Amino acid sequence: EAQVTQNPRYLITVTGKKLTVTCSQNMNHEYMSWYRQDPGLGLRQIYYSMNVEVTDKGDVPEGYKVSRKEKRNFPLILESPSPNQTSLYFCASRRQGDYEQYFGPGTRLTVT
Amino acid sequence: AQTVTQSQPEMSVQEAETVTLSCTYDTSESDYYLFWYKQPPSRQMILVIRQEAYKQQNATENRFSVNFQKAAKSFSLKISDSQLGDAAMYFCAYRNPRGKGAQKLVFGQGTRLTINP
Repeated sequence: EAQVTQNPRYLITVTGKKLTVTCSQNMNHEYMSWYRQDPGLGLRQIYYSMNVEVTDKGDVPEGYKVSRKEKRNFPLILESPSPNQTSLYFCASRRQGDYEQYFGPGTRLTVT
Repeated sequence: AQTVTQSQPEMSVQEAETVTLSCTYDTSESDYYLFWYKQPPSRQMILVIRQEAYKQQNATENRFSVNFQKAAKSFSLKISDSQLGDAAMYFCAYRNPRGKGAQKLVFGQGTRLTINP
């Protein structure tokens, strides 16, 4: 089954404790992105990757890091999480030239 | 930079009736894509319908159709014969077909749709 998976689905952590949210897709897609969803703001792009070792900032990259060492994986790293990073996070992927973006199931992160 | 605005935070409709969700956008591009996504309580993002700006004909997918007004930069979603399963948050989104903006979906704020039985 073609899918984008994220782990964990739910995470409660404390300020300053480094964490990684994993994202993996099995469709051999070139493009991958991370978005955060906040009430009243919709979804905003954090980072994106056009292929292995090619990443760039989206609209809200502060406080986040990413890497793309393998085509299927695109982890999101919060080195020192803060309460303002409490949000719902989505990973997404798309094949070059296609319209449709495939979204993961979302990760609900709470930073206390 | 492109922006997308959904001015209706919440809408409600009686089951079996028709409802229209509004979306306006701002761009200086002439070619672009527009999308409507559905987010049910499961939080999964589901593509409902898409429209390519170069196409004059409005897109239709079963009970879902759009009214694309390019000059007015308006892209509304009409849901006919509303069903309980249509209850969800709906997001309007924009994307450039090429260039740096092709890697990003720009989303509106969302409209929460309630279906009354």
